[in-house]
Amino acid sequence: DGGITQSPKYLFRKEGQNVTLSCEQNLNHDAMYWYRQDPGQGLRLIYYSQIVNDFQKGDIAEGYSVSREKKESFPLTVTSAQKNPTAFYLCASKTPGQANTGELFFGEGSRLTVL
Amino acid sequence: AQTVTQSQPEMSVQEAETVTLSCTYDTSENNYYLFWYKQPPSRQMILVIRQEAYKQQNATENRFSVNFQKAAKSFSLKISDSQLGDTAMYFCAFMKEDFGNEKLTFGTGTRLTIIP
Repeated sequence: DGGITQSPKYLFRKEGQNVTLSCEQNLNHDAMYWYRQDPGQGLRLIYYSQIVNDFQKGDIAEGYSVSREKKESFPLTVTSAQKNPTAFYLCASKTPGQANTGELFFGEGSRLTVL
Repeated sequence: AQTVTQSQPEMSVQEAETVTLSCTYDTSENNYYLFWYKQPPSRQMILVIRQEAYKQQNATENRFSVNFQKAAKSFSLKISDSQLGDTAMYFCAFMKEDFGNEKLTFGTGTRLTIIP
C-alpha cells in the first residue's frame, strides 16, 4: 500500500546527542514536510522540500537539519543545538502545484524524548 | 505571514448532537485554501474537508460542513449527528496559492470529545 513510513515510533536520547528521524514515502510525491507538534501549540513547520536536492527552512528550523538526496526519503536530524527537542514529529508529503487538491499525507509520527 | 487561530482548546458534545468548531485566520492573500484536519488518538492526521477561497459555496463532506466567511476571515467546521469516532483533535490549516512552494500553516487545535 502507498503511504508514508516514519521510524522509529519512539526514541529516547540523552542530552548532547544528535538523532535522526526517518521518513520514507512511496506515493511518488515531490514535496515533503517535517512538522513538530507540542501540546497547545499545534503543528509548526520545521523544514520542507519541493524537489530532490533542495529544501527550505520553515518557522522553527533552528537546531534541526535535513537532506533530500532521494525523492522517497526526507530524514530529519535533531541536533544537540535544539534546546527543547522533546516533542512529537510528523512527516508529510504532497504533490506540489496542486494546492486545491493536494492534501498533505501524514506519517504516524515519531515521539522523541530527551532524558 | 499567515496566522491561524482556534480559540476553543477543548469542546465536548453528546453523541448525535451538532457541534461547531471555530477558526479564524489572518492573511493579505486573495488566493488561498483552507483545510480541517482530524487527529484521532492514534495520532494519524486525516483530511476532513477543504475549501478554496475563490469558491463562495461552502464545502460539504457527508456530516461535515464548513461556514466560510471570506470577508470576516472565518472558517468554522460543523459536525452533524456526531459519533464517538469523531473524538479527536481538530486542526484548522491555511495554504496560500504559491505554485511549487505550498506549505500549510496550522492552528493550535481543538480537542473534541463526543460523550456517549
